[in-house]
Amino acid sequence: DQQVKQNSPSLSVQEGRISILNCDYTNSMFDYFLWYKKYPAEGPTFLISISSIKDKNEDGRFTVFLNKSAKHLSLHIVPSQPGDSAVYFCAARTSGSARQLTFGSGTQLTVLP
Amino acid sequence: ETGVTQSPTHLIKTRGQQVTLRCSSQSGHNTVSWYQQALGQGPQFIFQYYREEENGRGNFPPRFSGLQFPNYSSELNVNALELDDSALYLCASSIDRGRNNSPLHFGNGTRLTVT
Repeated sequence: DQQVKQNSPSLSVQEGRISILNCDYTNSMFDYFLWYKKYPAEGPTFLISISSIKDKNEDGRFTVFLNKSAKHLSLHIVPSQPGDSAVYFCAARTSGSARQLTFGSGTQLTVLP
Repeated sequence: ETGVTQSPTHLIKTRGQQVTLRCSSQSGHNTVSWYQQALGQGPQFIFQYYREEENGRGNFPPRFSGLQFPNYSSELNVNALELDDSALYLCASSIDRGRNNSPLHFGNGTRLTVT
């Protein structure tokens, strides 16, 4: 039973264009969402997060949107750069679960020069 | 500021053996979590330690156990290894001060292969 789903295993985008990575969740108790980026042979690196009381959070080129009614969040990267090529994981947690994150299966983003 | 460090980086074990993986938390972090990442999947929560006690556990059998030491370093022990235990094991640390939302900081992981 996957509570966090990333249905696109891969995405290719041209440098300078927008990258949109999507994530769906089923557990309505999730109240905090995070995106992590992972390069080969490295651990996941925290990118950006959003609380369920917000619908948007922006940090430089990265923006996360949360649609609670649809149980959907997305990560927008504008403009995309070749260095953004990595696996992106969506993760979620409930307020009662301390540091227990539930991860999606990841999306491999390739930014083409 | 040193990050999260894990050892060893790679390990090959035989089915039925026992393994110990080690983790040094990022400086100042008092909470450590362990995750298992199988090939093609996202990390799965194993358990978490705070103040040397386990205070959260995922859907993993008791043969997965851990320790947290006074200096906040940690060990993950797996007994009676099975082929399906082959995975990347990730350690993550964070600062726990009540209901804060500080993100997890991950190490580079230990790649365990069970043959």
